[in-house]
Amino acid sequence: EIVLTQSPGTLSLSPGERATLSCRASQSVSSNYLAWYQQKPGQAPRLLIYGASSRATGIPDRFSGSGSGTDFTLTISRLEPEDFAVYYCQQYGSSLTFGGGTKVEIK
Amino acid sequence: QVQLQESGPGLVKPSETLSLTCTVSGYSISSGYHWGWIRQPPGKGLEWIGSIYHSGSTYYSPSLKSRLTISVDTSKNQFSLKLSSVTAADTAVYYCARHASAWSIGYWGQGTLVTVSS
Repeated sequence: EIVLTQSPGTLSLSPGERATLSCRASQSVSSNYLAWYQQKPGQAPRLLIYGASSRATGIPDRFSGSGSGTDFTLTISRLEPEDFAVYYCQQYGSSLTFGGGTKVEIK
Repeated sequence: QVQLQESGPGLVKPSETLSLTCTVSGYSISSGYHWGWIRQPPGKGLEWIGSIYHSGSTYYSPSLKSRLTISVDTSKNQFSLKLSSVTAADTAVYYCARHASAWSIGYWGQGTLVTVSS
């Protein structure tokens, strides 16, 4: 089973700043099978990115995904107030696993 | 618009079987896609439980496989989860969901809290 490690655990930033979130896999992940989600308190997760770099329907272009192999990145170019949340990466290989999450909090 | 709604008991006793149903509206399960279950213990991260295709093909988490059954009823546009021999560690919010491209998860139910306690 592929283990996904997200870093940092918490990211303290101000609105307007750039956020860079990392997701590292214990073995190579096909780029087609790497996704990112946003979750706010009391809500279900929302799909942001699939296929490592494709934005889901309705997702603003300030969200972008990149990477391949074992290292993937979610970038939020300019944080809006509604972007402060927890972010998860997810992969599908022989099984489906999620990373432990990165909390983006207001500094 | 695809909508999913979980239903089932909110309290299950230890050693018993947890049973949940997901009712889908706005899309026919028979038309395709994989349909899945994900859970989230209070204050913790997400854990995939398993998924099913409309044909009935199932894909289970290795850590839960021995206790897990996922089934689909296309006539009712529903799919279901049964997890046997539950313990307090199975206490979580359970989400049903529809997969999207490349096994991402495009649609989620609102989630239902299931507590395992005597």
